[in-house]
Amino acid sequence: GAVVSQHPSWVICKSGTSVKIECRSLDFQATTMFWYRQFPKQSLMLMATSNEGSKATYEQGVEKDKFLINHASLTLSTLTVTSAHPEDSSFYICSAIQGARNEQYFGPGTRLTVT
Amino acid sequence: AQSVTQPDIHITVSEGASLELRCNYSYGATPYLFWYVQSPGQGLQLLLKYFSGDTLVQGIKGFEAEFKRSQSSFNLRKPSVHWSDAAEYFCAVVSPNDYKLSFGAGTTVTVRA
Repeated sequence: GAVVSQHPSWVICKSGTSVKIECRSLDFQATTMFWYRQFPKQSLMLMATSNEGSKATYEQGVEKDKFLINHASLTLSTLTVTSAHPEDSSFYICSAIQGARNEQYFGPGTRLTVT
Repeated sequence: AQSVTQPDIHITVSEGASLELRCNYSYGATPYLFWYVQSPGQGLQLLLKYFSGDTLVQGIKGFEAEFKRSQSSFNLRKPSVHWSDAAEYFCAVVSPNDYKLSFGAGTTVTVRA
């Protein structure tokens, strides 16, 4: 149980285009989802917290107009990188929690490369 | 705010030898602590967690960790490493108020034959 999927697993896009990444909880309802970014050889950096039916809360320094997050249902959150640039190339990981539990279940990650 | 420190950036260990990864946390109340492992290009896999109770926690893949409140530590151990244990290991603490995870910088484990 507690499986989180991400789609796509990898994507290559051209500079200036937008790309959407999906995060789904497959066998539970996720009241809260998180989006992380990870650069090579570095730790995970929390970008934003996404609660179903409400606006996402972004961490300091994260551009909310560039990284659009939508949590339209209890099983799906999406991250859209708008007007992507090469510096947005990174590994994006989502996680989800169920109810009031303190354990996050992580997706397998999405490798974004902007050319 | 909570924080996690992993003092060792890189550890090299021989196959069959024991492994210990250090983790120190800073948190005002009783922490909820985790150890995750990440293989290259992969997501995170939970090795073990500590919420309360027995301070020696058993996890998957033969790993264990011991919570020591007096030392603010939650070190990860494995008695005998396998080549497949080569990976990146992250210690993390969660804030029970908003469920946000704070990760350490990670420790890269290399296993030599």
